[in-house]
Amino acid sequence: RKEVEQDPGPFNVPEGATVAFNCTYSNSASQSFFWYRQDCRKEPKLLMSVYSSGNEDGRFTAQLNRASQYISLLIRDSKLSDSATYLCVVNQGGKLIFGQGTELSVKP
Amino acid sequence: NAGVTQTPKFQVLKTGQSMTLQCAQDMNHEYMSWYRQDPGMGLRLIHYSVGAGITDQGEVPNGYNVSRSTTEDFPLRLLSAAPSQTSVYFCASSYSTLTLNRNEQFFGPGTRLTVL
Repeated sequence: RKEVEQDPGPFNVPEGATVAFNCTYSNSASQSFFWYRQDCRKEPKLLMSVYSSGNEDGRFTAQLNRASQYISLLIRDSKLSDSATYLCVVNQGGKLIFGQGTELSVKP
Repeated sequence: NAGVTQTPKFQVLKTGQSMTLQCAQDMNHEYMSWYRQDPGMGLRLIHYSVGAGITDQGEVPNGYNVSRSTTEDFPLRLLSAAPSQTSVYFCASSYSTLTLNRNEQFFGPGTRLTVL
């Protein structure tokens, strides 16, 4: 079993749609959690950290369920510019472990 | 600030050749790391360093060496290149491993390596 697993994707959605990405992690001792965004052939960039209480940044909402070892990212009112690969990332003892990524394509 | 820089951007090697991928950061970050990214595999940690003089292995260290003689530089050496090392390599840094919970990692633009 992979340490961090994401929905395989790709997700193809129309502009304005709401889309949710799911991620599970296997190590219950994981300390912190993030979503990164990666545009085609570019370096990953931090989208948002994920806090136990859940957190929101504009159209993006991240949730963490430690009991189920599950992380989610919700994007509301999706834009063409949201098209990218979204990476679930878990901090295990100072090492960042990445999921394989879920590709999102937003169409006009 | 240049951020995290990597050289070269592209490289083609023959099996058995050795080379060094360069990584430098000008943000005075203590924590630096190397990842490789293969299709469908996400990023996998090769080696990391929590400060000058200290390095440790990640998930896939075999075939790679690192050193950290200065805070700024973290080169990755391929000892004897193999086709299985064809990949995109990213270097990253963050302020400190102790604050990794809060601080993002900044990535370089990547090196695209092909081993024939």
